Amino acid sequence: AQSVAQPEDQVNVAEGNPLTVKCTYSVSGNPYLFWYVQYPNRGLQFLLKYITGDNLVKGSYGFEAEFNKSQTSFHLKKPSALVSDSALYFCAVRDGFNNKLIFGAGTRLAVHP
Amino acid sequence: DAGVIQSPRHEVTEMGQEVTLRCKPISGHNSLFWYRQTMMRGLELLIYFNNNVPIDDSGMPEDRFSAKMPNASFSTLKIQPSEPRDSAVYFCASSPSGDFNEQFFGPGTRLTVL
Repeated sequence: AQSVAQPEDQVNVAEGNPLTVKCTYSVSGNPYLFWYVQYPNRGLQFLLKYITGDNLVKGSYGFEAEFNKSQTSFHLKKPSALVSDSALYFCAVRDGFNNKLIFGAGTRLAVHP
Repeated sequence: DAGVIQSPRHEVTEMGQEVTLRCKPISGHNSLFWYRQTMMRGLELLIYFNNNVPIDDSGMPEDRFSAKMPNASFSTLKIQPSEPRDSAVYFCASSPSGDFNEQFFGPGTRLTVL
């Protein structure tokens, strides 16, 4: 069965520093991976996805993610964090041959001034 | 585009009452998903529809929960009778046809069952 793991409940980073939010996956077949962000009292918003091609995927708000097949990872990154990036981040994998997504538990990112 | 619309945004009810949550997907999207989010269990997929047909309802917790999609622009999630453990935020999401498309989430309905 497809699954994703987000090993950190919370990540703390100072404003201006680079940030990384970790995600590892387990799939049978090709992985189709997504990152979403959830701000307080809001629905999830799509950030980026990896389907095929370049291992470095660029998305919204300056975020990018690196697909690493050998490490089965899809870590979310940003070169310089903003306080406004503070939110809950979800990694997700597509489940098989349909558009159903399996979400990780989420990682709370706190960016401090 | 108005995005995915959900109503009500907040619902407070008493145990045993019927609750109906509503969703209007983005026009032209043919897949619709209902999720539940709690602190304890995270984000759970309850059911999803493709072209108004339920495809996978394996996440529906029990018979008290039911979902319908009578047409391409409207879906309901009903809980009857409601219980305190149903308290959660319920999200509706939609996506366009084709593979690998991202889902667009509504703002959610915060349900509190007393």
